This record gives sequence, structure tokens and C-alpha cells, in this order.
Amino acid sequence: DAKTTQPTSMDCAEGRAANLPCNHSTISGNEYVYWYRQIHSQGPQYIIHGLKNNETNEMASLIITEDRKSSTLILPHATLRDTAVYYCIVRVGDGNNRLAFGKGNQVVVIP
Amino acid sequence: NAGVTQTPKFQVLKTGQSMTLQCAQDMNHEYMSWYRQDPGMGLRLIHYSVGAGITDQGEVPNGYNVSRSTTEDFPLRLLSAAPSQTSVYFCASGQAEDGGGAFFGQGTRLTVV
Repeated sequence: DAKTTQPTSMDCAEGRAANLPCNHSTISGNEYVYWYRQIHSQGPQYIIHGLKNNETNEMASLIITEDRKSSTLILPHATLRDTAVYYCIVRVGDGNNRLAFGKGNQVVVIP
Repeated sequence: NAGVTQTPKFQVLKTGQSMTLQCAQDMNHEYMSWYRQDPGMGLRLIHYSVGAGITDQGEVPNGYNVSRSTTEDFPLRLLSAAPSQTSVYFCASGQAEDGGGAFFGQGTRLTVV
């Protein structure tokens, strides 16, 4: 699976959109981009995933560049409860749910 | 709908003791897996299963055994606990074929003294 690069940490203002970047320059054509988050001490929570088209669900939007070498997770109106470590993971969507977690991006939402 | 249930939530073991961490899911998911998370680190895959009767090793399998006799249950056995196995353990499940997201349990905090 391709490697990803994320900021180590970032702050976001409460009520504003939070844009979380992820670079995956070695992504292959059949690899999906997945986003998870882990709120302190809890199990990771699946947020969203996509292949090449932009995706939106009730939690977030995922914007994937046309060359698929980077993506952005957008939390439209960040709340204090969105403070968490966010993981960007790239893997083949072949039914193999093995996930390679890096250290993620510690996002702190500031009042 | 309980999702993925892990028991116990906390456990203290003495070096050399054995124990089984339980994981059960009620979503009829084919895929189940075990991860460990050490302080300040991301999760690392221990073992996984793509269906009943099928298991395979992940990144850090040494010292752990698994079995998958039913779709619902995927227990993780520590054969002879060591202090290096002090960690938080997470179980996850998901559909094998749709490439969708995985669902995680709330974790078991294990301390080996």
C-alpha cells in the first residue's frame, strides 16, 4: 500500500471549516484513500473513503486531486468534539481490510 | 446493534500468565482483525481473518494466537504474557468485498507486570 504524509499537528477554530491535508504521491490506480479518526483513548472511527471522485457524507467531505497524489478531508463546521488524531490511509479496495496506520495528524479545535 | 464488543476493558497480568481477549461483532462481517497501540504510536496489525476458519499474520504476530471458529467471534490469545505486550488492543471488523470502512471496538487496556 502507498505511504501517506500528513502534518504532525494542526489547530482549527471552532465553527470554521477544518481542512486536513494528506499527500500520497505513490498511490496506485486501484488504491483508495481512507480517513479515520481516533478521539483520545477510544477506538478509531471510520470517516470516509474515495477512489477518484470527491465524496461527502454526514461527517465530512473528501477532495481528491485530479492526479490523485493528494487529498483533503474537510470538516465543514469544526466542533470541540472533533479534536482527535486523524489518519489518512491508502490501500487497495480488494476486501482486504488491513490498515497501515501512521502517526496521524493531531487536530485540536480551539474555542 | 452493539457493533464490535471487546472484553475485558482493562486487565493486569503477571509475566508468564496467559489470557484471552474477546472480540465479538453482530454485523455479520467477514473480515476481523486485531491491532495493538503503544503510547504515542499508530495502530499495528497483529492478526486478521477474512472469514470463519481462515486467519493470517499481520505486522506483529509474535506471542499471540487467534482462531475464527464463527463469523461473530475472533479471540486473541496471549500464550505467555511479557511486559512488552503492555498495550491497548483494538479489534475491528468489516465487510470483505466492498472496500468500505472498518468498525473498531473500544479497546482492551492490558498491563503486564
